[in-house]
Amino acid sequence: DTAVSQTPKYLVTQMGNDKSIKCEQNLGHDTMYWYKQDSKKFLKIMFSYNNKELIINETVPNRFSPKSPDKAHLNLHINSLELGDSAVYFCASSLDRLNTGELFFGEGSRLTVL
Amino acid sequence: DAKTTQPNSMESNEEEPVHLPCNHSTISGTDYIHWYRQLPSQGPEYVIHGLTSNVNNRMASLAIAEDRKSSTLILHRATLRDAAVYYCVYAASNTGKLIFGQGTTLQVKP
Repeated sequence: DTAVSQTPKYLVTQMGNDKSIKCEQNLGHDTMYWYKQDSKKFLKIMFSYNNKELIINETVPNRFSPKSPDKAHLNLHINSLELGDSAVYFCASSLDRLNTGELFFGEGSRLTVL
Repeated sequence: DAKTTQPNSMESNEEEPVHLPCNHSTISGTDYIHWYRQLPSQGPEYVIHGLTSNVNNRMASLAIAEDRKSSTLILHRATLRDAAVYYCVYAASNTGKLIFGQGTTLQVKP
């Protein structure tokens, strides 16, 4: 049973389109995250939710909108896709917001914008 | 945000110990130090974390300098499956953010 699962795994789309990535965790964790990994493998946090409440919102264009319908799900919607949005997006979860423990990552969703 | 600094790449021979260094001179006294590794086409995987004392688990050991300005991840006997990108990470205690370093690509030679 996959702890943190993301769909889709691959996404190829044209500039200007809108797309969503979904994430679910079955670990009973309170906190979920979206990270972006660029072509140089640099991992940067984008958003974090704790019990459906947004707690971290890094400097991300407002074309990116996260939504957490419940604490087991965190989705990422991206409007008006640009070439620079091409990256691998990782969802993660942790027991609580303090990050003194382990973060569990999904396998990633590779987004390619043409 | 403070940052962590790691060498871009390191090489090791199979069955030998590997010491992966990380500098984090600007983190605060309450920020935990984490290590994650990422195998090709997979998400990052937790390795170990600590605050002040040295830590051991089944995967690795973490040696934290007394002044907390640096730490070293120790793989006691490298195997080919340990070839990965190893990220030194700090957990900002005031925000809960995990801030990743640029990572060290570890090659393990048979």
